[in-house]
This record gives sequence, structure tokens and C-alpha cells, in this order.
Amino acid sequence: DAKTTQPNSMESNEEEPVHLPCNHSTISGTDYIHWYRQLPSQGPEYVIHGLTSNVNNRMASLAIAEDRKSSTLILHRATLRDAAVYYCILRVDNYGGSQGNLIFGKGTKLSVKP
Amino acid sequence: NAGVTQTPKFQVLKTGQSMTLQCAQDMNHEYMSWYRQDPGMGLRLIHYSVGAGITDQGEVPNGYNVSRSTTEDFPLRLLSAAPSQTSVYFCASGRDPFGMAFFGQGTRLTVV
Repeated sequence: DAKTTQPNSMESNEEEPVHLPCNHSTISGTDYIHWYRQLPSQGPEYVIHGLTSNVNNRMASLAIAEDRKSSTLILHRATLRDAAVYYCILRVDNYGGSQGNLIFGKGTKLSVKP
Repeated sequence: NAGVTQTPKFQVLKTGQSMTLQCAQDMNHEYMSWYRQDPGMGLRLIHYSVGAGITDQGEVPNGYNVSRSTTEDFPLRLLSAAPSQTSVYFCASGRDPFGMAFFGQGTRLTVV
């Protein structure tokens, strides 16, 4: 399985943008880049995913490098509620088998200061 | 919508006891899976199912059984609980194996 590398922790100030990096140098052409977050004492929550083009939704933006070996999750204005562990995950666009399952690393713990 | 519902939220077992963790989803998702999360770690896949009647093993299946008789339900059985199975268990569902996954709130299990 293709692996991802994320910083263990990051800090941000409330109402400022946050850029969470993820390296995935062994990504293959069929791997989607997924981001999930986990708030304290809760289950993981889907944030965003993409394949090649940058993606935006109501929660965040995903910027994908042209060579796809890295990506950045962008929270445009961090709130205290955004304090969580953020996981960058590669998922294979391949029906069946375990290759489509989410392979979680340790993620990046984001702290947001008021 | 209730989404993915896990019961119970907390459970304490004695070593050797058996129990079933329940997971139900009301989104008509074909794909369901079970993960465990140990302190300071990411989630690890235990078992998964791509539809009713079809299950397969994940990364850490030993000590756990699953079955999928309906689309809605995917129970996880611990046959003989061991202290190493102390963990938080999460159930997830999705329309397919590689799209958005929805997680339950977790079951915190302690085996003494």
C-alpha cells in the first residue's frame, strides 16, 4: 500500500488559515487522496478527497501537486472546533478487495489557539 | 438520518467472555467495515464487507468474527475476550470501498 507522511503536530491561531501538508511520493495513478479528521472522543469524519485537480467543499480545500507526490489540506479560517487529528490517506480506485479500505497513519494533531 | 449507529458505547468484559458489538446504518450502503483504535494510534482494519453475505479479513482479524445477513447490520463478535482487545472500536459504512466513509461514534471496550 502506498504510504503517506505527515507532521506529528501543528499549531494555528483561531481565524487564520491552516495548511496541513502530506507527502505521498509512492502514489500510483489510481490512488485517490482522502482526508479525514477525528475530533476528541469521536469517530473519524470525512473532510475531502481528490485525484488530480484541486478540490473545494464547505469544510476545506485540497491542493494537489502537479506530480501528485504531495498535497495540502487548507482550512481557510481555523476555529476552535477544527482542533483534531487530521489523516491523509490514499485509496485505490479499485472495486473489491482490501485495497479500497482506509489505511490510517498517525495523522497530524492540529491545535488551535484562541 | 441516524447514519451509523454503534451499541453499546461502553463495555467492560472479563477475560474469556464473549460479546457482540452492534453496528447499523440507515443509508443503504453496501460497504461496511470495522476498525480498532489503540491509544495514540491510527485506526486498523479488522473485517470488512462489500455487501450482504460477503465478508473478508482486514489487517488484524484474529479473535474477531463477523457476518452480514442484511445490508443494514454488521455485527462484530469477540469469541473469547482478551486484555489485548481493549480498544475503541469503530464501524464505518460507504456506498463503495473507495468513496466517502461514514463512521460511528465508537464503542470503548475494556477487557479485565
